[in-house]
Amino acid sequence: EAGVTQFPSHSVIEKGQTVTLRCDPISGHDNLYWYRRVMGKEIKFLLHFVKESKQDESGMPNNRFLAERTGGTYSTLKVQPAELEDSGVYFCASSQALMNTEAFFGQGTRLTVV
Amino acid sequence: AQSVTQLGSHVSVSEGALVLLRCNYSSSVPPYLFWYVQYPNQGLQLLLKYTTGATLVKGINGFEAEFKKSETSFHLTKPSAHMSDAAEYFCAVVRSGGYNKLIFGAGTRLAVHP
Repeated sequence: EAGVTQFPSHSVIEKGQTVTLRCDPISGHDNLYWYRRVMGKEIKFLLHFVKESKQDESGMPNNRFLAERTGGTYSTLKVQPAELEDSGVYFCASSQALMNTEAFFGQGTRLTVV
Repeated sequence: AQSVTQLGSHVSVSEGALVLLRCNYSSSVPPYLFWYVQYPNQGLQLLLKYTTGATLVKGINGFEAEFKKSETSFHLTKPSAHMSDAAEYFCAVVRSGGYNKLIFGAGTRLAVHP
């Protein structure tokens, strides 16, 4: 069974450009999460989808970030326009049940804004 | 608000020595506790978790952790370090009965030397 897959693994963009990160969860997992780790700091929650609906987006830093999950399958996280402080590793995770179950993580996308 | 503190951003041990990675949490309700590991160029992998029941939890690769409510701690141990244990370790908490919104510590990078 395929795990959580994230694309791209690395992205280097200039300040002001747009970047779209993609996450393919484990098949059948209704719950999809985005997290971010800024250099040297803790991994922070960004948002949580249940199927195609946003259950909790309290961690989204500002309106330059837009997450979608069309059809309840893969998800995209768009940053537009990117700023230097957006650099970090973006993790996606998925879980089968809503609570009390293991969340499986992808390898992450390392985003560098220069 | 919940928070997680990992004491020591870097820990270095000799191969065969005891591994002790410290984690303290703050939570207003009984939490669920997790340890994740990230090996180089890989995603986060669940090592072990505590939800309810026995406070000593055994995980993969010989790791275990003990939930101590009175100390609000969930320290990770392994009796004998192996070179392959070199990785970054993250302690995380989620509110019991809550959705799988993980709150992470800042991580501890474990180095194992011969």
